[in-house]
Amino acid sequence: KQEVTQIPAALSVPEGENLVLNCSFTDSAIYNLQWFRQDPGKGLTSLLLIQSSQREQTSGRLNASLDKSSGRSTLYIAASQPGDSATYLCAVVHTGGFKTIFGAGTRLFVKA
Amino acid sequence: KAGVTQTPRYLIKTRGQQVTLSCSPISGHRSVSWYQQTPGQGLQFLFEYFSETQRNKGNFPGRFSGRQFSNSRSEMNVSTLELGDSALYLCASSLVGGNQETQYFGPGTRLLVL
Repeated sequence: KQEVTQIPAALSVPEGENLVLNCSFTDSAIYNLQWFRQDPGKGLTSLLLIQSSQREQTSGRLNASLDKSSGRSTLYIAASQPGDSATYLCAVVHTGGFKTIFGAGTRLFVKA
Repeated sequence: KAGVTQTPRYLIKTRGQQVTLSCSPISGHRSVSWYQQTPGQGLQFLFEYFSETQRNKGNFPGRFSGRQFSNSRSEMNVSTLELGDSALYLCASSLVGGNQETQYFGPGTRLLVL
């Protein structure tokens, strides 16, 4: 059974700091991994999608990497800003049934 | 393009009642997936519809059902509501689905069961 874990559960950093969020999954049989952000009480916003054949994706200050063999992904946020404060979720699409399985998220707070 | 829309945004029901939630996908998207989000269980996949057919289903009881119309709009129904059904219900759309591409989420419907 695929399980997705995100560490840390919460993180507080000063503005301008570079940071890394971690996501691990137990079964490497995935089609892709996607990172989302969720603002309080809102829906999810897609940040980056990495296909299983890819190693990383970049968008602006965000860089996501994928190591399928070790079951890990990291989301790197450069020069963090207060507007980055949100919950970050990773989700994997497992090849067994194409179901999307989410981690519990990392709650990020960037202090001005 | 307009994003994914969900109605209603908030809903209060009592135990035993039933509820229907609606989701309109991004124009041209044919796949709609539904998720339940609770503080205890996080985000859990309910089901996915494509071309009016349920293509995928999560581990939820039969009280949770859905359908998709020819214009790709989707509805989700929960019968005999229980207190534990209180949650944020999110729908997501994508072009052809199968969960192999980016999913775009709506703002959600917050359901409170009293």
